[in-house]
Amino acid sequence: QQQVKQSPQSLIVQKGGISIINCAYENTAFDYFPWYQQFPGKGPALLIAIRPDVSEKKEGRFTISFNKSAKQFSLHIMDSQPGDSATYFCAASSPGNTPLVFGKGTRLSVIA
Amino acid sequence: NAGVTQTPKFQVLKTGQSMTLQCAQDMNHNSMYWYRQDPGMGLRLIYYSASEGTTDKGEVPNGYNVSRLNKREFSLRLESAAPSQTSVYFCASAPWDQETQYFGPGTRLLVL
Repeated sequence: QQQVKQSPQSLIVQKGGISIINCAYENTAFDYFPWYQQFPGKGPALLIAIRPDVSEKKEGRFTISFNKSAKQFSLHIMDSQPGDSATYFCAASSPGNTPLVFGKGTRLSVIA
Repeated sequence: NAGVTQTPKFQVLKTGQSMTLQCAQDMNHNSMYWYRQDPGMGLRLIYYSASEGTTDKGEVPNGYNVSRLNKREFSLRLESAAPSQTSVYFCASAPWDQETQYFGPGTRLLVL
């Protein structure tokens, strides 16, 4: 059972464009939604995270949009740069000391 | 702080051989995890340890065993390696709430 569905699987964006990655979840008990960034040959690292009490969180060029009623959240990368080329994972967790549930990842390529 | 360290970085095994992947963290985290990452499959949780002295199965535990040696160390053992266990293995740790996971650099395992 895939609890967090992520799309697209891969994405190619022109330099300066907007990259958008979407995730949907089913478990309404989820209350924490992080995004992880993974460069080739490295382990994933936390990029940005949101809780359902806000609809948007912005950190630099990275923004999470959250739609509680639709049970969806998305990552927007503004002014995408070649250095943003990486695999991005969405994730979710619920209260009660349980592990994160990860989406299957999106490989982003930003081309000049 | 070294964060999360994993040894070895790369290993080649023959089918049927055994080996132990080592993981250590110096962040005084309570929780530790083992994932495998395969193309198109994302991060799949093998086992985790929410606290010292406890271990629990994740999504894909078959063929693996773990030991939480102490608060710092969490090892993953393959008793009889199979080609299907060829993968990149990541160890991660998290503080008590398990929300933010910190990943190691990974171990690349090839089973022939």
